Amino acid sequence: EAQVTQNPRYLITVTGKKLTVTCSQNMNHEYMSWYRQDPGLGLRQIYYSMNVEVTDKGDVPEGYKVSRKEKRNFPLILESPSPNQTSLYFCASSWAGGPYEQYFGPGTRLTVT
Amino acid sequence: AQKVTQAQTEISVVEKEDVTLDCVYETRDTTYYLFWYKQPPSGELVFLIRRNSFDEQNEISGRYSWNFQKSTSSFNFTITASQVVDSAVYFCALSTFSGSRLTFGEGTQLTVNP
Repeated sequence: EAQVTQNPRYLITVTGKKLTVTCSQNMNHEYMSWYRQDPGLGLRQIYYSMNVEVTDKGDVPEGYKVSRKEKRNFPLILESPSPNQTSLYFCASSWAGGPYEQYFGPGTRLTVT
Repeated sequence: AQKVTQAQTEISVVEKEDVTLDCVYETRDTTYYLFWYKQPPSGELVFLIRRNSFDEQNEISGRYSWNFQKSTSSFNFTITASQVVDSAVYFCALSTFSGSRLTFGEGTQLTVNP
């Protein structure tokens, strides 16, 4: 089944404790992206990757890191999480070379206390 | 910079009513793409439609229809004869030609009451 998976689905952590949210897709998509969803703000793009080893900032990159060493994986790293990073995070993928439909993962609910 | 505005934060209707969700966008690009996504209470994001800036034909898919008007920078979504299962948050989104940047609106929470 074609899908985007994220782990963990739910995470409660404390300020400053490094964490990684994994994202994997099995559709051989070149493009992958991370978004955060906050009430009243919709989804905002954090980082995106047009292909392996090619990443770029979205609208809200501060406090986040990403890497794209393999085509299928695009982990989101929070080196020192803060309470304002409490949010619902979505990973997405699509074919590159044009703005195709993006396939979204199920979301990761992160709470930073 | 690009921007998408969904001025209707919440809409509540009774089943079988028609409802229109508004979407207004801003972009300096001449080529761009517009999308609608649905987020049901279960939380996943479901793609509904994509429209490019050169195609202003309206589209109908079952009870769903979309009205794209470049002159007013709007891409409105109408649900005809709404059903309880249509209850969800609906997002309008705008993409650059390259597809690298996708900008979402704030979302409209639609509640369809029986």
